[in-house]
Amino acid sequence: NAGVTQTPKFRVLKTGQSMTLLCAQDMNHEYMYWYRQDPGMGLRLIHYSVGEGTTAKGEVPDGYNVSRLKKQNFLLGLESAAPSQTSVYFCASSYAGFRSSYNSPLHFGNGTRLTVT
Amino acid sequence: AQKVTQAQTEISVVEKEDVTLDCVYETRDTTYYLFWYKQPPSGELVFLIRRNSFDEQNEISGRYSWNFQKSTSSFNFTITASQVVDSAVYFCALGGSQGNLIFGKGTKLSVKP
Repeated sequence: NAGVTQTPKFRVLKTGQSMTLLCAQDMNHEYMYWYRQDPGMGLRLIHYSVGEGTTAKGEVPDGYNVSRLKKQNFLLGLESAAPSQTSVYFCASSYAGFRSSYNSPLHFGNGTRLTVT
Repeated sequence: AQKVTQAQTEISVVEKEDVTLDCVYETRDTTYYLFWYKQPPSGELVFLIRRNSFDEQNEISGRYSWNFQKSTSSFNFTITASQVVDSAVYFCALGGSQGNLIFGKGTKLSVKP
């Protein structure tokens, strides 16, 4: 059982380049999330999805786009990378929203370290 | 506004000491959820606990215990008899109105042998 898998693990981009981060989960979870982690800032939500075909903006969505065409995959795109997007990106999934009666914690991937020069 | 404050940026203890990590939250919701996550040096995020606002009982799991006090909007985490393997960054989080988790900035715990 792989859980939440993120690819790639590391990437270096030049300013203006584009790329897509892939998140795949094999737990049949409805909810998926993209966070970024920066030193001293904790984790901040970029975008999230509450089901296949749906997406919503989080706290810091500017400069990113997402798609959830299949339930198991959640893609994060950077159309024109900027140095401010240098960060560690975490994908997470959960069976149901945390308000459900299920104890449904977020399951995180191992992160993608992105450097934009 | 919803917010989580972890005032302790870094804590250093010697093995076998007890240590408490503080978490203070702000929310206007009457029902809310609080979480603790651990991030060891390897970088992954590990779920530790979820607590509902209507359940104020303290929780103990082995050497870990959590003290939830609505009156002070705090959800503190204590590690008893700390071990080197407890060295990590610990995040407190609040369930946000958008269905997401709002994280504090984390407390880095270093346990020295």
